[in-house]
Amino acid sequence: ETGVTQTPRHLVMGMTNKKSLKCEQHLGHNAMYWYKQSAKKPLELMFVYNFKEQTENNSVPSRFSPECPNSSHLFLHLHTLQPEDSALYLCASSGWREGRNEQFFGPGTRLTVL
Amino acid sequence: GQQLNQSPQSMFIQEGEDVSMNCTSSSIFNTWLWYKQDPGEGPVLLIALYKAGELTSNGRLTAQFGITRKDSFLNISASIPSDVGIYFCAGKLGGSNYKLTFGKGTLLTVNP
Repeated sequence: ETGVTQTPRHLVMGMTNKKSLKCEQHLGHNAMYWYKQSAKKPLELMFVYNFKEQTENNSVPSRFSPECPNSSHLFLHLHTLQPEDSALYLCASSGWREGRNEQFFGPGTRLTVL
Repeated sequence: GQQLNQSPQSMFIQEGEDVSMNCTSSSIFNTWLWYKQDPGEGPVLLIALYKAGELTSNGRLTAQFGITRKDSFLNISASIPSDVGIYFCAGKLGGSNYKLTFGKGTLLTVNP
């Protein structure tokens, strides 16, 4: 595998379900990110991890719970979601140094909350 | 928060035509990035710009970092059907290692 991978690619869940999204990067990066992409809106940054430490929580509701066990893996645990949480959830990774920190994205998980 | 104005929102062109799109900001950025997103996929990085006035090419794509550091342009020459997709600009403020501000995207349709 190369680049950034995400599983599952599609997920349909009820409001009472608990599910997890997984992201893995094979680029040797130190930083990983969760973004939410909704129609007609710019990408919204949710969480940032640098060397496994969370450095940003962008006022995300507690029904979204991130986990970063190491620099290569990132999870997003979901519980009691709302229909308005339906969106494309994108994971990204980057280096972590002043200057050139291009973010590389995974293919995303299309989430539908019924 | 920061906002990027990306225009146009959408474009319909004929195969072979050149395309131009741009992003403007009220803030000064020290990095501009251009991404392309195909349906059902994540954004793919096309070009990264790091210096005011910088002009960088990637095949038929050329992007420029505006002199004022508040804007950037992406040009696509001799468009082909596989250029179809949504193009996003993203800017990074100085002093931030990671935080990107994204435009809303330009939807490009190429008629063969």
